[in-house]
Amino acid sequence: QKEVEQNSGPLSVPEGAIASLNCTYSDRVSQSFFWYRQYSGKSPELIMSIYSNGDKEDGRFTAQLNKASQYVSLLIRDSQPSDSATYLCAVKADTGRRALTFGSGTRLQVQP
Amino acid sequence: EADIYQTPRYLVIGTGKKITLECSQTMGHDKMYWYQQDPGMELHLIHYSYGVNSTEKGDLSSESTVSRIRTEHFPLTLESARPSHTSQYLCASSDGRSYNEQFFGPGTRLTVL
Repeated sequence: QKEVEQNSGPLSVPEGAIASLNCTYSDRVSQSFFWYRQYSGKSPELIMSIYSNGDKEDGRFTAQLNKASQYVSLLIRDSQPSDSATYLCAVKADTGRRALTFGSGTRLQVQP
Repeated sequence: EADIYQTPRYLVIGTGKKITLECSQTMGHDKMYWYQQDPGMELHLIHYSYGVNSTEKGDLSSESTVSRIRTEHFPLTLESARPSHTSQYLCASSDGRSYNEQFFGPGTRLTVL
């Protein structure tokens, strides 16, 4: 089992819809969670971070964390074609491993 | 906006050459990282550093080496480039006091002929 799992997609949604991206992690001591957006050929860009159970909203993005179930999700409201990219989930444990563990990413396609 | 820079952005070089990929950040971050990523594939951590004179190998075995003589500078060196080294190399940095949010540089796309 991978430490951080994401569905590779592609996840296809129509313009204006809500895109829901999910991520599960295996290390129960994980404390910090991040979502990165990566356009093809570009480097990852941090778009959301979340540390406590519940929801965190930033513009059209909402990150949701459930530590008991070991999942974190990202909702993108009013999806735009410019949101088409690969979304990487990353997890940080406060003990042991000191770098982020990245998932393999979910490719999102927003259809105009 | 993160201030992390990588040079060169693109490099095409012949087999056997020694190359150094540069990475600098102006944010005073103590932690720096090198990742390798092939097109459409996962990020793989190859080196990281917690501070000056502190470096460790990452998850993916790499023939490259790194050094951290100054806080802001974290170069990666390949002594003898091979076609198998063709990939995108991404540098990142983080401030351990801010939950380890990592910021990436623009990357160096390396092609070894």
